[in-house]
Amino acid sequence: QVQLQESGPRLVKPSQTLSLTCTVAGGSISGGGYYWSWIRQSAGKRLEWLGRINTSGSTFYNPSLQSRVTMSVDTSKNQFSLNLRSVTAADTAIYYCARGDLYFDPWGQGALVTVSS
Amino acid sequence: DIQMTQSPSSLSASVGDRITITCRASRDITNYLNWYQQKPGKAPTLLIYDASTLETGVPSRFSGSGSGTDFTLTISSLQPEDVATYYCQHFDILPRTFGQGTKVEIK
Repeated sequence: QVQLQESGPRLVKPSQTLSLTCTVAGGSISGGGYYWSWIRQSAGKRLEWLGRINTSGSTFYNPSLQSRVTMSVDTSKNQFSLNLRSVTAADTAIYYCARGDLYFDPWGQGALVTVSS
Repeated sequence: DIQMTQSPSSLSASVGDRITITCRASRDITNYLNWYQQKPGKAPTLLIYDASTLETGVPSRFSGSGSGTDFTLTISSLQPEDVATYYCQHFDILPRTFGQGTKVEIK
């Protein structure tokens, strides 16, 4: 069964770029024609969908992020990535990667990223 | 964006009780509605999709219903392992949005 795992720095300074990678195990990221999504959860527990990408590189980003976000995919490594620029303390959250964009299944275990100097 | 509003925000019930969680969309989303369960310290898992279809492996005490703007998640007989926060999520348009969650505890 497919499993997802987030990796990347857990501490990012304000104004810098948050970068995370999601590695897909147990199946090919190119199989099934799926979209791959990023979702975050702040301390207030609200879930926020950040956007999606497919293996052709087609993306949709949540307008709430005001063009700070970029997603990419590397099919040779079975990975997809998230970059969030100009971060502030409000971007502190658990970041999840997930398969799909209609429904999300499965999810990675999550990566707590703290924005602090 | 479509706003998703859940009620109640939290509830406490006894083992064996029937509980219902409501999710309301700010506009008609037909049946484009999913439910997730998030246990403490874990990632959410898909519980119900298309408003009423149980994900494989989900116990039959869970059920979902509704269409249009009003949806419900019901647990027919609450079990200790159902302690979790439950979220609804629409997929009618982009961006996808979630409800604020309903925390379920055992009395």
